[in-house]
This record gives sequence, structure tokens and C-alpha cells, in this order.
Amino acid sequence: DGGITQSPKYLFRKEGQNVTLSCEQNLNHDAMYWYRQDPGQGLRLIYYSQIVNDFQKGDIAEGYSVSREKKESFPLTVTSAQKNPTAFYLCATRRPGQGVEDTQYFGPGTRLTVL
Amino acid sequence: AQTVTQSQPEMSVQEAETVTLSCTYDTSESDYYLFWYKQPPSRQMILVIRQEAYKQQNATENRFSVNFQKAAKSFSLKISDSQLGDAAMYFCAYRTYTGANSKLTFGKGITLSVRP
Repeated sequence: DGGITQSPKYLFRKEGQNVTLSCEQNLNHDAMYWYRQDPGQGLRLIYYSQIVNDFQKGDIAEGYSVSREKKESFPLTVTSAQKNPTAFYLCATRRPGQGVEDTQYFGPGTRLTVL
Repeated sequence: AQTVTQSQPEMSVQEAETVTLSCTYDTSESDYYLFWYKQPPSRQMILVIRQEAYKQQNATENRFSVNFQKAAKSFSLKISDSQLGDAAMYFCAYRTYTGANSKLTFGKGITLSVRP
């Protein structure tokens, strides 16, 4: 099956601990994105990567880190510096193309809860 | 910076009826893309419909159509013959036209309920 896999679906963390969220894709898309979703809020961009070994900060990057060592993988680490990490996290990839064919596709998400 | 506004947090529609979800945006650019995404209770984001700003013709996808008013910076979604499976959160999104770094900007979403 082609698609985007995020694991785990639910994640619990103790305050002060770092935690890494996984995102894997077999769509052969170059670009990958991490978004955060809070109740009553739209999706906010954390980090994105256009190619391997390169990534850029989004609108709310503080307290997060990423790596892009392989095209298929874009893990997100939520560090202890993130003040309010409890949220739903969505990974996305972007299909290259012309015009509106250049579209983002989303994984199923990970719900992170800080205890 | 671009902004996307969905001013109605919730809407309700009777099954088989038609409903329109509103979205406005602010940009100084002339070329861009607009999208509507659906997020059902499973929380999987699903692309519903998309529109290129330079196209005057409104996009349609089966029961879903848009009313794109470029001058007014308005991009509403019309759902015809509403079905129970249409109940979800709907997000309007904007993206710049060019550049490898073009990013999606989302509105806060609207929760649509469908009454049987």
C-alpha cells in the first residue's frame, strides 16, 4: 500500500521528557511537513523539508526539532522546551506536479498527551 | 502574511439539503491556490476540492462545488444533497502559487453536523 504512516497513534509523555514522533512515506514525494492541531485551531506548520538533509522552520518551530536523513522519513522530536506539547500532530507530503496537482497529502496523525 | 478566516465555528444541515461553508482570505498576491479539506472523526485530513486563482470557472467535484469570488477574496464550499458521512470538520486553506517553499495556511475550521 502506498501512503503515509505515523506512529504511534497515541503517545503519552511525562513532563520534561523528549519524545519522537515517526512519519514514513512510500509515495516518493520530496517534500514533507509537520503540523500541529489544537482544539478550535487550524493546522499550524512546525517544520518542513523540501529535500533530504535540508529542512526549514515553520510558524511554530520553538521546542521542536526534525531530521531528514532519508527521503522516506521525517521524524519530529518534541523537546522539553516545548511549553505546551499536548496536541494532535499531522505529517504531510507534497506531490510534485503542475498547478493544483501539486497537492499535500496527510498521514493519520499522532495524539500526544503530556502527563 | 496571508490569513484565512472561517468565521462560523459550527453549522448544521438536514440530510439531503444543501449547505454553504464560508471562507475569506487576505493576500496581496494575484496567483495562488485555494483548498477545502475535510477532517472526519477519524481525524484523517482529506482533500475535498481545489481552485487555482487565475481560473474564473468554479471548481466542482461531484456534490461539492465552490463559489470563488477573487475580488472579494471569498472561497465558499457548497455541499449538495448532504449525507451523514459529510459530518466532519472542514478547513479552508491557501497556498502561494510559486516557489518550492510555498506553504499551506489554514483557517480555524468549521464543524458541520448532518441531521438525519
